[in-house]
Amino acid sequence: AQKVTQAQTEISVVEKEDVTLDCVYETRDTTYYLFWYKQPPSGELVFLIRRNSFDEQNEISGRYSWNFQKSTSSFNFTITASQVVDSAVYFCALSAYSGAGSYQLTFGKGTKLSVIP
Amino acid sequence: DTGVSQNPRHKITKRGQNVTFRCDPISEHNRLYWYRQTLGQGPEFLTYFQNEAQLEKSRLLSDRFSAERPKGSFSTLEIQRTEQGDSAMYLCASSMTSGSTDTQYFGPGTRLTVL
Repeated sequence: AQKVTQAQTEISVVEKEDVTLDCVYETRDTTYYLFWYKQPPSGELVFLIRRNSFDEQNEISGRYSWNFQKSTSSFNFTITASQVVDSAVYFCALSAYSGAGSYQLTFGKGTKLSVIP
Repeated sequence: DTGVSQNPRHKITKRGQNVTFRCDPISEHNRLYWYRQTLGQGPEFLTYFQNEAQLEKSRLLSDRFSAERPKGSFSTLEIQRTEQGDSAMYLCASSMTSGSTDTQYFGPGTRLTVL
């Protein structure tokens, strides 16, 4: 069974502060994929990043950066110089081949980020 | 590419009624997933189609739920004899087979309220 834990339920930061969202996962698969999605108040899940289990290189994309560490089963997400538009619920998710054809996603419960102007 | 679209966006129904939702995936995406999201939770997998074949169903998908994807294009999710516990956001996602990867793109969802 797969499990994703996002221990932070809600985080509030003042605009321009940096914020890190934590994600810890459990899986028995050796090949798997990790994702972050953003869900703004409008409700649509927006894909942010995908990493596979063999690629532990950290990644930076603009104000976003991701830290993947297999040793601690963590895939943390940092927003630098946060902006009000970053306010949303952020989900970490895990997928692995199910054996029946799909790569169904297992999501955490999400972290609600509020950026205060 | 236009994104994944879902209709209707909102549905209010009375307990015991049947409802049907539609999902139009990104064109040429051969994989289609349905998820359900309740308040304060992450989405949970319901079922998966590859082209027109329904290959996987979650145990969450009771006998009152049925999904189809005729001709491998759009998909419908029907709930018969709705119950208050069915109230949730129903999300559709599509993806394209690309080696061993699968990035799912989500639609805006259909929010169901059962009175």
